[in-house]
Amino acid sequence: QVQLVQSGADLKKPGASVRVSCKASGYTFTKYIIHWVRQAPGQRLEWMGWINAGDGNTRYSQKFQGRVTITRDTSANTAYMELSSLRSEDTAVYFCARDSLSLMDVWGQGTTVTVSS
Amino acid sequence: EIVLTQSPGTLSLSPGERATLSCRASQSVSGSYLAWYQQKPGQAPSLLIYGASNRATGIPDRFSGSGSGTDFILTISRLEPEDFAVYYCQQYGSSPRTFGQGTKLEIK
Repeated sequence: QVQLVQSGADLKKPGASVRVSCKASGYTFTKYIIHWVRQAPGQRLEWMGWINAGDGNTRYSQKFQGRVTITRDTSANTAYMELSSLRSEDTAVYFCARDSLSLMDVWGQGTTVTVSS
Repeated sequence: EIVLTQSPGTLSLSPGERATLSCRASQSVSGSYLAWYQQKPGQAPSLLIYGASNRATGIPDRFSGSGSGTDFILTISRLEPEDFAVYYCQQYGSSPRTFGQGTKLEIK
């Protein structure tokens, strides 16, 4: 079945970077876009950006431009989201989601990132 | 950026009752590209409705969506115990994609 499996929870200090992975299975990885969405405690879902897993093109939310980098490894069917210069407000659950006809139809289980000194 | 405002923030109803959730956009949503997602505690969101009124695969017909322009509605005709969750609207017609703040549907 179609699945996105994300890496485990992470604890980072302010100023550090975090990389979250999202491994796809059950479909042809390179035929779809992967989005990254985060959910901070008590906040609404927030779109961060996407990557076209086929050609590697990316698009980022202006809010995260300069701090977020989304990449993919087609040999491993895996997408990655790296967020740098972490601050406490980046404490959130980070989700990857597959794009099908502009809809986020399959989601990863989420990765909790905690930023604390 | 399009801001989506959902109301009410919390809706308390009993199983078997009808639920009506609202989503209002700060500007017209292009092509009625409006989706609804359900999220249960500790889980990722899951797609319910797309294109304002189309049910996603496997979604029961007690869920229905309507609306266009700036005003959208999600209706659950007869609540089942598994329907109590948080519901988010999302517009995907313009970048950045944005979500509403959510409506929590709780058991009365």
